[in-house]
This record gives sequence, structure tokens and C-alpha cells, in this order.
Amino acid sequence: GEDVEQSLFLSVREGDSSVINCTYTDSSSTYLYWYKQEPGAGLQLLTYIFSNMDMKQDQRLTVLLNKKDKHLSLRIADTQTGDSAIYFCAESMSGNQFYFGTGTSLTVIP
Amino acid sequence: GAGVSQTPSNKVTEKGKYVELRCDPISGHTALYWYRQSLGQGPEFLIYFQGTGAADDSGLPNDRFFAVRPEGSVSTLKIQRTERGDSAVYLCASSLDGTILIGSDTQYFGPGTRLTVL
Repeated sequence: GEDVEQSLFLSVREGDSSVINCTYTDSSSTYLYWYKQEPGAGLQLLTYIFSNMDMKQDQRLTVLLNKKDKHLSLRIADTQTGDSAIYFCAESMSGNQFYFGTGTSLTVIP
Repeated sequence: GAGVSQTPSNKVTEKGKYVELRCDPISGHTALYWYRQSLGQGPEFLIYFQGTGAADDSGLPNDRFFAVRPEGSVSTLKIQRTERGDSAVYLCASSLDGTILIGSDTQYFGPGTRLTVL
């Protein structure tokens, strides 16, 4: 089946940039997503990218996609303490069934 | 309501018992999804409903798991003869119509039901 992998932990200082990485195996993925999960809250869609795009920027968020290497990254500029959460990448071919990574726990140090 | 709600928020049961988990999607959303999230893992797809019918139930782990959505709104995930390995957070999500046009549709997740099987 589909395999989506992420590093488990990332720690950055407030104001620095954070880069969260993800690799996936399904070359037929059509959509790739980044979700944020805060304690006690539901998963929140942050941003997404179509597989025919290389980059997408949305305010402080920049998504880079290397389709050849099946590598996706999320860059958060000027990271704030409120950005501390678990970040999941996910991929989908149909837009109905989603495959999530294991999540990266981001800790922002004041 | 304003968002997807799930009840109960926590459920503790004994091995071998039957449990039902409820999901109230956002009003008007025809697509509904169930996921299971084990500790330290990402959500794992279980089943997807379009209206009243299960359009994709390929993620259900075995026949102890069953889900219904009789009126195309509220959904119930049913687990028979629970096992300790069923302990997880069960997430529900809904979307407007489940189309692949992400620009016009997206999944909204509920807070989940934490199931603990003793």
C-alpha cells in the first residue's frame, strides 16, 4: 500500500524558519496535503499542492514538491509559538481516500 | 452545527464488548469519512460515504467493524467483540460533496472519539 514517511520531531527557535519533510511512495498521487493537529483539536488543513506543481506559497507557508524524488516539504517562515503542533503530510489519488504520514511534532522555543 | 462533532469524546470498554461511535457532519455535507489514529501514528483511512452509501470501505480492518449512514447525515461506526488493539482515536471528517476539485471542497475533521479497550 501507500507509504508516507516523516521525521518524528523538529525543534526551532521562535522567529526562525521551520522545514518539515515528507516522502511518499505512490507516484500516482494527485494531491498532496499538509495538516496541523493541535492537542484536543481536529486536524486542520493548512495547504495543498497538485502533483503538477513544484511550489505553492500561502502567506507564511511554502510547499515544495519534488515529484521525481517523491519528496514534499513545508516551510513555515517566522515560526511562532502558536505553530507548535503535529504536522501531517497526506497524499491522495482520488481525493476521497487519503494516506497520512506518521506526523512531525514541531516544538517552537520562545 | 458549526463543525463536525463526535460523541462520545471518550469511551472505555472491556474486551469483547460492542461499541458505537457517532459522527455528526457539517450540515449539508454529503461526503463523510472515518479514520483511526493510533498513538504516534497518522490517521488511517477506514471508510468513505457518499450520501447514504459506502463508496469505499476498503480500509475497514475486518468484519468486526461496520459503519452506517442511513439518512445521509449522521454516521455510526460500530465495533463488535472489541479487542485491545482497537484502542485508538477514531476521527470523522466531512466534505461538501467529495469532489476531487480541492479548490471547491476540503475535508473538515471532528475532534475524535478516544476508544480504550481494557
